[in-house]
Amino acid sequence: GDSVTQMEGPVTLSEEAFLTINCTYTATGYPSLFWYVQYPGEGLQLLLKATKADDKGSNKGFEATYRKETTSFHLEKGSVQVSDSAVYFCALPNQAGTALIFGKGTTLSVSS
Amino acid sequence: EADIYQTPRYLVIGTGKKITLECSQTMGHDKMYWYQQDPGMELHLIHYSYGVNSTEKGDLSSESTVSRIRTEHFPLTLESARPSHTSQYLCASSPGTGVGVNYGYTFGSGTRLTVV
Repeated sequence: GDSVTQMEGPVTLSEEAFLTINCTYTATGYPSLFWYVQYPGEGLQLLLKATKADDKGSNKGFEATYRKETTSFHLEKGSVQVSDSAVYFCALPNQAGTALIFGKGTTLSVSS
Repeated sequence: EADIYQTPRYLVIGTGKKITLECSQTMGHDKMYWYQQDPGMELHLIHYSYGVNSTEKGDLSSESTVSRIRTEHFPLTLESARPSHTSQYLCASSPGTGVGVNYGYTFGSGTRLTVV
């Protein structure tokens, strides 16, 4: 069945460092891919998405490119801020397309 | 601003009590979902609905039940709470017709339930 694997955290960075959070997936066909962010004490918010191969999703300085050759959707940001400290989830539809399945989440901690 | 509302935000309740977690959305979405988030942050689908009078069980076996009498309302009920039900419960909705989720979800802020 379809699945998503994220790099384990926590990821600890200094302010203005470069961020990469790896996400790879297994899927039938070419589903939409998503990154969600969860700030402490909150629900998840959609950060960005890509709907087809080679699409690049971007939002708030974050980017991710849908790469079908490597079945990856890595999240990147050139210069992180303290306010980016949160848990990040990669997601895609399940095999039936009826619900999203999420990676286990990667905790990012940014210090000043 | 939130378009999907969950109440209460926090709840501490004794073992054996019946509880209902509320979820309402104002976006007119047909599809709604409940996820349980464990302390390690992993999300598990426990229930979903495609519309009024439609409910389905998710991937994680759950002792909870849901109902969908109105489009905007998708409450989750535990008939007899146990300490093993202690978790964060997240409600979400998705736009578009059919069962697909290619538009993604909008999540509520969650209910953190503690059963003592």
